[in-house]
Amino acid sequence: AAGVIQSPRHLIKEKRETATLKCYPIPRHDTVYWYQQGPGQDPQFLISFYEKMQSDKGSIPDRFSAQQFSDYHSELNMSSLELGDSALYFCASSTRWGGYTFGSGTRLTVV
Amino acid sequence: GESVGLHLPTLSVQEGDNSIINCAYSNSASDYFIWYKQESGKGPQFIIDIRSNMDKRQGQRVTVLLNKTVKHLSLQIAATQPGDSAVYFCAEIVGSGNTPLVFGKGTRLSVIA
Repeated sequence: AAGVIQSPRHLIKEKRETATLKCYPIPRHDTVYWYQQGPGQDPQFLISFYEKMQSDKGSIPDRFSAQQFSDYHSELNMSSLELGDSALYFCASSTRWGGYTFGSGTRLTVV
Repeated sequence: GESVGLHLPTLSVQEGDNSIINCAYSNSASDYFIWYKQESGKGPQFIIDIRSNMDKRQGQRVTVLLNKTVKHLSLQIAATQPGDSAVYFCAEIVGSGNTPLVFGKGTRLSVIA
């Protein structure tokens, strides 16, 4: 069965650089979520999109933005990167009946 | 240097024993709950879910119990195996499947062979 696909798997950036993470949801899933997980912490919700419109917003810094495209894939854009942005970033998708499924994540390291 | 994250509660069990992992949730309006297993460097993997109109649900080797009175959720794993070693999270949702999951604090399960 198709899963949530994230790219890249690993990313190393320098402080103040920009990063773009991509997420391809499960086909026919209409909602995409982005989560940030620091070392030893639980995943923290950043932002979500339903049918290509932003639907919920969590603890997403102003330096970050995201969008969902016509093919339902989503991108998380992160600018002016800080050391504290180093984390695992997960994307998940669902339908209105549930089916929450997570991708394998992108490990971002800011040096 | 690298920042140190929060120390996760740890449960150590002998292989073959049963494991019980607990979770307290905060929102009495939550109506859907999911347990996830997360192995190191990987994404959360669905284990079992339960809706608020139920108090127990069983899967293969796993059972979830929901006590809405005290807002408590538990995951029972029967005959725990080394492959069950991971961090386990409960997550709650208020409303429909288009609503973000809210994760509880994880518990690290270590299985002693």
